[in-house]
Amino acid sequence: GAGVSQSPSNKVTEKGKDVELRCDPISGHTALYWYRQSLGQGLEFLIYFQGNSAPDKSGLPSDRFSAERTGGSVSTLTIQRTQQEDSAVYLCASSGTHQSPLHFGNGTRLTVT
Amino acid sequence: DQQVKQNSPSLSVQEGRISILNCDYTNSMFDYFLWYKKYPAEGPTFLISISSIKDKNEDGRFTVFLNKSAKHLSLHIVPSQPGDSAVYFCAASPRNSGYALNFGKGTSLLVTP
Repeated sequence: GAGVSQSPSNKVTEKGKDVELRCDPISGHTALYWYRQSLGQGLEFLIYFQGNSAPDKSGLPSDRFSAERTGGSVSTLTIQRTQQEDSAVYLCASSGTHQSPLHFGNGTRLTVT
Repeated sequence: DQQVKQNSPSLSVQEGRISILNCDYTNSMFDYFLWYKKYPAEGPTFLISISSIKDKNEDGRFTVFLNKSAKHLSLHIVPSQPGDSAVYFCAASPRNSGYALNFGKGTSLLVTP
């Protein structure tokens, strides 16, 4: 079966531009997470979606970051007016329930020049 | 504020010997712990977990030990194989909240033939 799919795998953008990162979770998984990993750091929680509940946005680092999950499936993470410190690998994960281990995608490597 | 700490950024072990990866945490509310393994250019994959009601969980060559009084857990791999070479992340969360896993910065394990 298909795992978590993320696109693009790599994205280079100029400072100040907006970017959209996409995540297709495993079919049937109700929980979806976004994390990011900056160079030399651990995984930093960004946002969590569970079913139709309001998302937990407590990890978003600034109001330039937003995420949507349409129809309980595909999710898009949007970063507006990108800054160099936004450069990182952005990882999406899904799980069947919020207590199940996470299944991660391969990530999107974002480079802001 | 790093609530999950992996103090050894790297570890080198000879094939066939035991690999011991360590993890410390500071939040006494954590009661669910996981280890993830990550190869380059791939997302982390779930390896093994343990809840606070246990002090040991074993799965094949992998065993996780939990010492709640010391707020310490460790992952033992025996015997180590070259294919085990990867970055290992320790993660923890309060189980009732389930999500927003707190990750350590990872330990890079190299198993040499």
